Amino acid sequence: KAGVTQTPRYLIKTRGQQVTLSCSPISGHRSVSWYQQTPGQGLQFLFEYFSETQRNKGNFPGRFSGRQFSNSRSEMNVSTLELGDSALYLCASSPRTVNYGYTFGSGTRLTVV
Amino acid sequence: GQSLEQPSEVTAVEGAIVQINCTYQTSGFYGLSWYQQHDGGAPTFLSYNALDGLEETGRFSSFLSRSDSYGYLLLQELQMKDSASYFCAVRDSGSARQLTFGSGTQLTVLP
Repeated sequence: KAGVTQTPRYLIKTRGQQVTLSCSPISGHRSVSWYQQTPGQGLQFLFEYFSETQRNKGNFPGRFSGRQFSNSRSEMNVSTLELGDSALYLCASSPRTVNYGYTFGSGTRLTVV
Repeated sequence: GQSLEQPSEVTAVEGAIVQINCTYQTSGFYGLSWYQQHDGGAPTFLSYNALDGLEETGRFSSFLSRSDSYGYLLLQELQMKDSASYFCAVRDSGSARQLTFGSGTQLTVLP
C-alpha cells in the first residue's frame, strides 16, 4: 500500500515568487492536512481538507492557500514568498476527519532565497 | 487556544527506560497523541489516549491525566533506533478543531 506522496521533495525559490506543493494521500483517505515545520516554531497547522472542502484553517496569512481535488489529492500554494517561509511542509492523510493517527508524507523542503 | 510543553532534550542509554512528559493548557480537546520523527523523515503516529490512563503498544506506553493536564510517553528497552524527536499533540474540540503539536523532545540514546 503506497504511503503519502509529496512532490517535489526539495524546492528553491526566490523571494516574491509563488510555489505550489502537491500531496497524494493514501488510497481511500479523504482527509488531508498540511503543516509547516521550522526549527523555531515546530509543527504548525496550516489547513485541513475533507471531500474537497476546507474544514479547518490555522493561523497563517492569506498568502497560504490550498485545495483538494475529487481524487483527494491536495495542493497548497504560497504566494509572494518571504524568507521566513523557508520550512519543511508536511502533508498528512487519514480516511476521515479524526483526532489522531495521521499518516504523514516525507515533506517538501522549501528554501526561499 | 492550545499550548503544549515538552522538554527539549532527553538522553538515555541503550536498554534503559525513558519518560517524555507533556503538559498542556487547553480549553478542550479530544485526546493526546504522540508522534516520532527521525531526522529528515516523516512524523510517525505512535500512540493515542482518548481517556485517562495508560495505553500500551509494545515497548511504548502513553499516559494521560486530564485532571492534571499532563501526559507522558514511556519508552522501554531503549534501542539506538529510538533516537529521534517525539511530539505530543492535541486536537481542539472547539470550532477551530486544529491539531496542535508540542515543540518536540529530542531523544538521544547512547550505547
